[in-house]
Amino acid sequence: EVRLVESGGGLVQAGGSLRLSCEASRFTFSNYWVSWVRQAPGKGLEWVANIKEGGSEQYYVDSVKGRFTLSRDNAGNSLSLQMNSLRAEDTAVYYCGMGSLYAFDIWGQGTVVTVAS
Amino acid sequence: QSALIQEASVSGTVGQRVTLSCSGNSNNIGTYAVGWYRQISHGAPKTVMFGNSLASGIPDRFSGSKSGTTASLTISGLQPEDEADYYCSTWDYSLSAHVFGTGTKVTVL
Repeated sequence: EVRLVESGGGLVQAGGSLRLSCEASRFTFSNYWVSWVRQAPGKGLEWVANIKEGGSEQYYVDSVKGRFTLSRDNAGNSLSLQMNSLRAEDTAVYYCGMGSLYAFDIWGQGTVVTVAS
Repeated sequence: QSALIQEASVSGTVGQRVTLSCSGNSNNIGTYAVGWYRQISHGAPKTVMFGNSLASGIPDRFSGSKSGTTASLTISGLQPEDEADYYCSTWDYSLSAHVFGTGTKVTVL
């Protein structure tokens, strides 16, 4: 079964940092764009960032630019999101999604990030 | 970043045909294919349509289409298990960002 498994979420104080990870299994990770998508409590889905197959292109939502950094390790089938200067509004469930530039095919189960103000 | 516009809610009886819409512009839906996802009780999203293709494990009563800057998801023969929140999304080249729809809650009466 094709799977994405997120980890690294937790409770952090405002201004702090967390590093999320997404590990892929049973598919050729390096062939796909991978994204982080988040959902704040009671809200809809919000795209956070994505990275191209080889890692040469990365894009971020305006609200996280300069604070979040995305990286991928194709040999290790993993994706990381370094989140610095966290704010209360970053509190959300963070999902890893794999697919193309325009759509997602596979989703992880999510990891919860709570930022205490 | 701007969101794609979806109906807040759509309802129907078992067996009815319902259509959800996703409205964008020439920078997003007008240029790229669209993904559709469903989410039950704020659990992990599950892909329904990946561009023009039905995702793995999704019954063929689901179908997608696109006309200009509007995409649609049709459920032909609504079932109780289809009750969920549905989101559309695609890439926006002017924003250099992925944009999601506002979400539609489907209720089976």
